[in-house]
Amino acid sequence: DGGITQSPKYLFRKEGQNVTLSCEQNLNHDAMYWYRQDPGQGLRLIYYSQIVNDFQKGDIAEGYSVSREKKESFPLTVTSAQKNPTAFYLCASRAHVSNTGELFFGEGSRLTVL
Amino acid sequence: DAKTTQPPSMDCAEGRAANLPCNHSTISGNEYVYWYRQIHSQGPQYIIHGLKNNETNEMASLIITEDRKSSTLILPHATLRDTAVYYCIVRVSLTGTASKLTFGTGTRLQVTL
Repeated sequence: DGGITQSPKYLFRKEGQNVTLSCEQNLNHDAMYWYRQDPGQGLRLIYYSQIVNDFQKGDIAEGYSVSREKKESFPLTVTSAQKNPTAFYLCASRAHVSNTGELFFGEGSRLTVL
Repeated sequence: DAKTTQPPSMDCAEGRAANLPCNHSTISGNEYVYWYRQIHSQGPQYIIHGLKNNETNEMASLIITEDRKSSTLILPHATLRDTAVYYCIVRVSLTGTASKLTFGTGTRLQVTL
């Protein structure tokens, strides 16, 4: 089945540690996105990528980094510079960034900083 | 960015139609309206989208007013599994042809027996 796979589903981290969240899609989509969701809040865009080896900052990119070395993969690193990293992280993809069709979401990764 | 306004919560009896309103009075002529829903701790699920005409699919209907300043998502026969947070979103342009979807806080729909 085609879709987006995020891992791990749950992750605990100590303060000061970097952590990388995985996002893989087998939909052959060009565009990929990372969103953050806090309790009772909507989704905020962290980074997006239109094509391999290219990515742009979203609304809340500070303290995060990404890479897009392969079309199917868009990992997100939460660095120690992110002041409040505990959140639910969602990866999404779309056939093309300008496509008006639907955005496909993964099941999310819940990060807790201890 | 074009913003959307939705009621924070709504209730609906099972088997009845759920009508979820959304206000997007600052929408531009070429911006689409999207609806997604999110069941607790899962990724959002696409429901439907439209530009100016009413749309219907197997999940729902989308009614957009003629002036495009508001829309209504209709779930014709709500079931308990439709309990979720429903997001009304306007497609916002980024750089060039890139675009993003900005998610607000949505409407929490509770379907009851």
